[in-house]
Amino acid sequence: EAGVTQFPSHSVIEKGQTVTLRCDPISGHDNLYWYRRVMGKEIKFLLHFVKESKQDESGMPNNRFLAERTGGTYSTLKVQPAELEDSGVYFCASSQEGVWSPLHFGNGTRLTVT
Amino acid sequence: AQKVTQAQTEISVVEKEDVTLDCVYETRDTTYYLFWYKQPPSGELVFLIRRNSFDEQNEISGRYSWNFQKSTSSFNFTITASQVVDSAVYFCALSERNYGGSQGNLIFGKGTKLSVKP
Repeated sequence: EAGVTQFPSHSVIEKGQTVTLRCDPISGHDNLYWYRRVMGKEIKFLLHFVKESKQDESGMPNNRFLAERTGGTYSTLKVQPAELEDSGVYFCASSQEGVWSPLHFGNGTRLTVT
Repeated sequence: AQKVTQAQTEISVVEKEDVTLDCVYETRDTTYYLFWYKQPPSGELVFLIRRNSFDEQNEISGRYSWNFQKSTSSFNFTITASQVVDSAVYFCALSERNYGGSQGNLIFGKGTKLSVKP
């Protein structure tokens, strides 16, 4: 079974540019999550999809961040325009249905905004 | 407010030593789950264990063991006879049933970087 895959693994962009991160969850996992770790800080929840619907987006920092999950399969997280403070590692995770199913995380995308 | 504290930022041990990683949590809920994840150098977060708030039994899995004590709000993780492959960052996390709106809304500690030297 393939794990959660994220692309790209690294991205370096200039302030003001746009970046799109992609996440492919484990096949059959309806729940998809985005998390972020800013340097030296905790890993923080961004949002949660159930299939194609946003279940909880309380962690999204501002309207420069847009997440989509087309057809309930892969998800994208777009940052537009990027700011310096957006630098960090963005993790995607997925889980099966069922209460408190463990999250399976991807390797993360390291985003550097210069 | 919910919070997870991992007071140890970095720990360095020599192979075969036992090491305990501390985790203290705060929550307003009576129903919650606690987790440990391992992040090896490759970057992914690997699930190690989940424990619910009603089950205070300690758990052992090979060289790994976990001690959950509600009285002290702690969920500590011990590696016995550590090996170089145990070198990683370890994260403790909390998930509350209702607060935060999502069962997957994990609240992470800052992580403890464990280095096991040969």
